[in-house]
Amino acid sequence: AQSVAQPEDQVNVAEGNPLTVKCTYSVSGNPYLFWYVQYPNRGLQFLLKYITGDNLVKGSYGFEAEFNKSQTSFHLKKPSALVSDSALYFCAVRDLNYGQNFVFGPGTRLSVLP
Amino acid sequence: DVKVTQSSRYLVKRTGEKVFLECVQDMDHENMFWYRQDPGLGLRLIYFSYDVKMKEKGDIPEGYSVSREKKERFSLILESASTNQTSMYLCASSPDDSPLHFGNGTRLTVT
Repeated sequence: AQSVAQPEDQVNVAEGNPLTVKCTYSVSGNPYLFWYVQYPNRGLQFLLKYITGDNLVKGSYGFEAEFNKSQTSFHLKKPSALVSDSALYFCAVRDLNYGQNFVFGPGTRLSVLP
Repeated sequence: DVKVTQSSRYLVKRTGEKVFLECVQDMDHENMFWYRQDPGLGLRLIYFSYDVKMKEKGDIPEGYSVSREKKERFSLILESASTNQTSMYLCASSPDDSPLHFGNGTRLTVT
C-alpha cells in the first residue's frame, strides 16, 4: 500500500534563512510526487510535482524539491524563507498501480519568524 | 485558470439530518474527488469519480455516498449526519496524470 510520512508536525525558521520540509513515501511502483500548500480557511494549492527526469524540481513561489529514490524522500526546500510562506504544507504521492488515488501526508505547519 | 467551486464555506447541521455538499468544476476534468481534512490526519479520501455515473470508494466511505450525474458536478451526501462527521470537506478535480485542483473547502459542523 502507498503511504506518505511527514516526520515534523511543525517547522520554525527565521525569515531569510533556508527552509526544509521533509517528506518520505512508500509505493509499490514508480511514484508521482506532489507538494501542496494550504493557507488558513482555504483549499490546497499546488506547488510542484515530480513525475520523471531531473531529481531537482522547481515550483511556484521559489520553492523546489529534491527527489531521492534510494531514500524514498521528496523534501521541499527554499533558499530564503519569507514570513508569507507560513502555512500548512502537504506532501502527496500517486502510485499508478492504484489508479487515480492520491495519498497525502499529515501535513507540516511552517512558521517563518520575522 | 481552473476553478473548483464548493457551494458552502460553512455549514451547521443537526445529528440525523441528510446533508448535501456540492462541488462544480469548470475545466471538463474527468476525475473528481472528495476528501475530509482533520488535524493531524491530513487528507483522507472519501470517494472519487473518474467519469459520469462512475464512483469508487476511497479510504473512509462509511456514512457517505456520492452522485455524479454531470461531468462538472460531484456531490457528497451524508445520509444521516453524525457528530464525528464534523470536519473540513475538500473537493478536487484533475485530468489524467495531472495535479489536483482544490476548492476552498466546506467546514461542516454537526451538532
